[in-house]
Amino acid sequence: AQKITQTQPGMFVQEKEAVTLDCTYDTSDPSYGLFWYKQPSSGEMIFLIYQGSYDQQNATEGRYSLNFQKARKSANLVISASQLGDSAMYFCAMNRGSEKLVFGKGTKLTVNP
Amino acid sequence: DTGVSQDPRHKITKRGQNVTFRCDPISEHNRLYWYRQTLGQGPEFLTYFQNEAQLEKSRLLSDRFSAERPKGSFSTLEIQRTEQGDSAMYLCASSPGSGAVEKLFFGSGTQLSVL
Repeated sequence: AQKITQTQPGMFVQEKEAVTLDCTYDTSDPSYGLFWYKQPSSGEMIFLIYQGSYDQQNATEGRYSLNFQKARKSANLVISASQLGDSAMYFCAMNRGSEKLVFGKGTKLTVNP
Repeated sequence: DTGVSQDPRHKITKRGQNVTFRCDPISEHNRLYWYRQTLGQGPEFLTYFQNEAQLEKSRLLSDRFSAERPKGSFSTLEIQRTEQGDSAMYLCASSPGSGAVEKLFFGSGTQLSVL
């Protein structure tokens, strides 16, 4: 079975600073995908970034990058130059190929001015 | 291209009543998912459809829950004889259903409160 662990219930960062949100996963499958979603107070889950298990390079999407360490089974999200609008819940998730996503419990990020 | 739409956004009901939620996926997305999210938790998978076929149901989906996607477009999730434990955010998502990697696109959810 797949499992996602997010050990940081809450994180604080100063505006314009970088922040890393931790995510570890557990699976015995060689092929899988890792995702990060943002959930603001409005409730919608917003897709941020994706990393495939066979991708050689770490994924990047604008200010978001995914620090993928396969041997350690970690997929940390790095947000550079934090903005006040980044304050939200962040969820790490994974799936096997085309199967359903399994989510972690999330990390609440607060960006301070 | 509109996103995933869910209706209603909020629903308050009394215990024992039936409720129905609707989800309109992104057009031409073949897959449609239902998730439930309680306070302080990540979304938990309930069920998903490939076109009109319901391919998987979670054990969380008791016999009081039923989901349909009759024409492979919109979907409904019905909860019969609601209980206070059903209070949660119900999220719908869709994905193309045509590739090796399925990126899910979510709606804003329906917040259910059972009194």
